[in-house]
Amino acid sequence: AQTVTQSQPEMSVQEAETVTLSCTYDTSESDYYLFWYKQPPSRQMILVIRQEAYKQQNATENRFSVNFQKAAKSFSLKISDSQLGDAAMYFCAYRRGNTGTASKLTFGTGTRLQVTL
Amino acid sequence: GAVVSQHPSWVICKSGTSVKIECRSLDFQATTMFWYRQFPKQSLMLMATSNEGSKATYEQGVEKDKFLINHASLTLSTLTVTSAHPEDSSFYICSARGTGGDGYTFGSGTRLTVV
Repeated sequence: AQTVTQSQPEMSVQEAETVTLSCTYDTSESDYYLFWYKQPPSRQMILVIRQEAYKQQNATENRFSVNFQKAAKSFSLKISDSQLGDAAMYFCAYRRGNTGTASKLTFGTGTRLQVTL
Repeated sequence: GAVVSQHPSWVICKSGTSVKIECRSLDFQATTMFWYRQFPKQSLMLMATSNEGSKATYEQGVEKDKFLINHASLTLSTLTVTSAHPEDSSFYICSARGTGGDGYTFGSGTRLTVV
């Protein structure tokens, strides 16, 4: 079974600084997708960024970027120029390739990010 | 963008009663619905996956007779917690996938408290 590990229960960053959240995963599949989701206090899940395993180029979305190391099964999220609104729980998630019901997401345990002034 | 409306956002019920949670896809057809449970300060745990018109597939350890899932149409899926007990108190979230894109759209969640 696939597992997703987030080893940092909590992280803190000062406003305007950069922070990196770690995620590792275990899979024997070659075709899969990785995601970072944000869950603010409202508890609405928000997609931050996604990465297809077959793509070597790291995904970026404005201030958010990933460092995808396929051989190491590592998928870290870098948040640049941190803002107060970035404070939330961040979940790393894994999904096998597009194969029907196998398309379910497996979530990591989450990292709570605090942003300080 | 795609929206999933989840209701109610919170509910308090007495032990032994049943509670129904609805998730509606407002502007797309949800062929697959995922139901999650989230305990405080913990991750989302998948309970079951349902495809429109088919029986739900439950994860190991989830009682299908207790957590009844219905996905009778492409825009509506329901989760009914039957004979609720205090240990069923939790945050329940649905997530839908449609025919067109590759993404997941999450509902806003339901906080269930059983007293």
